[in-house]
Parts: sequence; C-alpha cells; structure tokens
Amino acid sequence: DTEVTQTPKHLVMGMTNKKSLKCEQHMGHRAMYWYKQKAKKPPELMFVYSYEKLSINESVPSRFSPECPNSSLLNLHLHALQPEDSALYLCASSQPGLAGGQKSTDTQYFGPGTRLTVL
Amino acid sequence: SQQGEEDPQALSIQEGENATMNCSYKTSINNLQWYRQNSGRGLVHLILIRSNEREKHSGRLRVTLDTSKKSSSLLITASRAADTASYFCATAPTGGFKTIFGAGTRLFVKA
Repeated sequence: DTEVTQTPKHLVMGMTNKKSLKCEQHMGHRAMYWYKQKAKKPPELMFVYSYEKLSINESVPSRFSPECPNSSLLNLHLHALQPEDSALYLCASSQPGLAGGQKSTDTQYFGPGTRLTVL
Repeated sequence: SQQGEEDPQALSIQEGENATMNCSYKTSINNLQWYRQNSGRGLVHLILIRSNEREKHSGRLRVTLDTSKKSSSLLITASRAADTASYFCATAPTGGFKTIFGAGTRLFVKA
C-alpha cells in the first residue's frame, strides 16, 4: 500500500472556528510532513515529524498546531485562521534515512491534499 | 526561501515532441527529485537521483544531474496529452529532513 490519505478533501471555515486536518499512511514511514501550497506556487514546507517527534517547524504561526499521535497518523489543528491561510494543504511521508552519516530525506509520498477556504 | 529555480516557467508543445525542463539549486544536496502535479491535486513522485549519480532513466523520463553546476534537467520523450501538468524539482540539502521545491514548470501538451 503506497497511499497517503487525507481528510477532509475540502474544508470551509470561519476565522473563529477550530478544525483539524488528518493524514494517514500505512507504509511504515517514520517521517511525515505538512506542506502549504498556494495557487500556481510550489509547496512550502510547514512541519516535519521524525519518529513521532517534531523535527522541523518552519516558523509557522501558532494558529497551526501539528500533532503526531502515532507513526501512521498526522494531524494539523487549525484555530483562528486568516483568509490568507486559504490554500491546498498537503501531507507527505517518507523513510528518514542517512546519507554519509547525516540525516536525509528520501522519496516522499504525497496525499491528495485538503483544499482549505477561510472566510 | 525556495532553493530550486526552474525554467522555463511554462512550456507548450505538440504531442509526440520532447519536453525538457531545467532546475538549478544553491547548496550541496543528498539527492534531487522530480514530481508531477495535476491541477489542484497531490504530487506524484517521478524519479530520484542521488548526488553521486549523473543520469537516470525511467520509462520516457531521463534525468541528469550536474553537481558542479548545481543543476538538473528532466527530459520527457514522445510526450502525450496526459503529460500536461506542473513539474517540480525538489532538493534535499545535506544534513536534514528538509525538502525544498523549485518554482515549477507548467507543461501543456497539445493533442
């Protein structure tokens, strides 16, 4: 199974709402990622979890709160978002590896994304 | 900031022609990957080339890597209308789990 699933596919929320995005993989990958993608732009890395621990936070505002309950699941909790946070949110997973004794990322498998609209 | 820069930004070709996309990056890398994205959907991994490799093939895809010039190219031969998509290079800088995507090339293949 090489699939990464994301729910929901679409989400519309107001600026005062609290919602969560979910991501799941069953490939045994121990690195999971959240990306944000605006229209006609490349994905921008938000968070990386490695072995269920937060490894990278790309200075993301605190209204985005990631959570990795176990090695198969990754959540992104949303609270008090702004209209400019509307975007496609992509989850990915990979095997964390070593290259020359240093940490390295390998092929990432992406989910279909959640299209988020903040009103 | 994005490390990879791609050119051209957009490419329009006829079915059957070859398409070449280029990617440049700034720092040392462990590997470079190419992804395809159909409009508004998730990214599909195409090919990964490691820093000690110079060329790699997969079906109609040919990727080259020149670490001295910090550049890579993706060649799609005998293109098809179904190849219409955005193509992104992604670099994995040494020493971390970060992946940085280039700006992407939008490919249009006309039937």
